Amino acid sequence: EAQVTQNPRYLITVTGKKLTVTCSQNMNHEYMSWYRQDPGLGLRQIYYSMNVEVTDKGDVPEGYKVSRKEKRNFPLILESPSPNQTSLYFCASSWGHKYNEQFFGPGTRLTVL
Amino acid sequence: AQSVAQPEDQVNVAEGNPLTVKCTYSVSGNPYLFWYVQYPNRGLQFLLKYITGDNLVKGSYGFEAEFNKSQTSFHLKKPSALVSDSALYFCAVRDTSKAGTALIFGKGTTLSVSS
Repeated sequence: EAQVTQNPRYLITVTGKKLTVTCSQNMNHEYMSWYRQDPGLGLRQIYYSMNVEVTDKGDVPEGYKVSRKEKRNFPLILESPSPNQTSLYFCASSWGHKYNEQFFGPGTRLTVL
Repeated sequence: AQSVAQPEDQVNVAEGNPLTVKCTYSVSGNPYLFWYVQYPNRGLQFLLKYITGDNLVKGSYGFEAEFNKSQTSFHLKKPSALVSDSALYFCAVRDTSKAGTALIFGKGTTLSVSS
């Protein structure tokens, strides 16, 4: 089954404790992206990647890092999480052409205390 | 700056009645427009998109959307609502300031269909 998977689905952590949220897709998509969803704000892009070893900032990149060492994986790293990073996070992937729709993972709900 | 607006936080409709969820956009150049639906505790699911051509776009689950260039709108419609259509709906536009398929999302509209 074609899908985007994320782990963990739920995470409660404390300020400053480094964490990684994994994202993997099995559709051979070139493009991958991370969004955060906050009430009343919709989804905002954090980082995106056009292909292996090619990443760029989205609209709200502060406090986040990403890497793209393999085509299928695009982990999101929070080096020193803060409470304002409490949010619902979605990974998405697509073929690279601008006409293509994105496929979304199930989401990771992160709480930073 | 490119943007998407969904003017209604919530739309309420009775089962069997037609529904409309509104979306307006602001872009420079040709707009590439999308609708997604989010069910509770689930990721976003693609419904339909407008790239070019016919102004009436048909998508999944009986939904359709009408592109209106003069009014810069892309309203989502369904002739007969189902209770199972109750969900959070997002309109999005391709962010042409970035490479690839980046999207700018509206804030979302909660659709509630009563039986």
